[in-house]
Amino acid sequence: ETGVTQSPTHLIKTRGQQVTLRCSSQSGHNTVSWYQQALGQGPQFIFQYYREEENGRGNFPPRFSGLQFPNYSSELNVNALELDDSALYLCASSLPNRKSSYNEQFFGPGTRLTVL
Amino acid sequence: KQEVTQIPAALSVPEGENLVLNCSFTDSAIYNLQWFRQDPGKGLTSLLLIQSSQREQTSGRLNASLDKSSGRSTLYIAASQPGDSATYLCAVEGGGGNKLTFGTGTQLKVEL
Repeated sequence: ETGVTQSPTHLIKTRGQQVTLRCSSQSGHNTVSWYQQALGQGPQFIFQYYREEENGRGNFPPRFSGLQFPNYSSELNVNALELDDSALYLCASSLPNRKSSYNEQFFGPGTRLTVL
Repeated sequence: KQEVTQIPAALSVPEGENLVLNCSFTDSAIYNLQWFRQDPGKGLTSLLLIQSSQREQTSGRLNASLDKSSGRSTLYIAASQPGDSATYLCAVEGGGGNKLTFGTGTQLKVEL
């Protein structure tokens, strides 16, 4: 069983640029969530995709957008980068059991984004 | 709006000590609660998940409890080891069944 993988590991961009981060979900998982973790803080929910549709969004501006593909992998796109976007971006996958509250989320290693 | 608080923010203990990490949340209408471990600069490793209908879960030296009515959870670590040094995060999943709301974590250091 393959775990959650993310690419790239590290990325350096300048203000105003655009970035795409990628996530491959754990085998069999149909739900992917993205989180932003600033230094010293807990992760903040960006959005979730379930079967290729957005299924909830946190308090992030529209320049944060995403996609989920038929194989359940996902992308996070950020346009017009700002200095405050510098953070660790985490992807989590899960296979929610809608008949119970079991929804264990498994996280990837993250992508460290630095905006200069 | 759900808020999650973890106390203490940092903890240093000698090897072999038993310890308790605390997590509180403001909205008791949760789907489940999950404890994670995070090593510096790394992703999150799931430790334990407690469903809303459960009171506790155990895995090896770890035991997590949940009291929904009071909005509290504890993570008990028995016989701590230097390898347990990490940041421990708790997160609750709301009734909508999608997003996790995290605390800011407890940074644990276990010294030889």
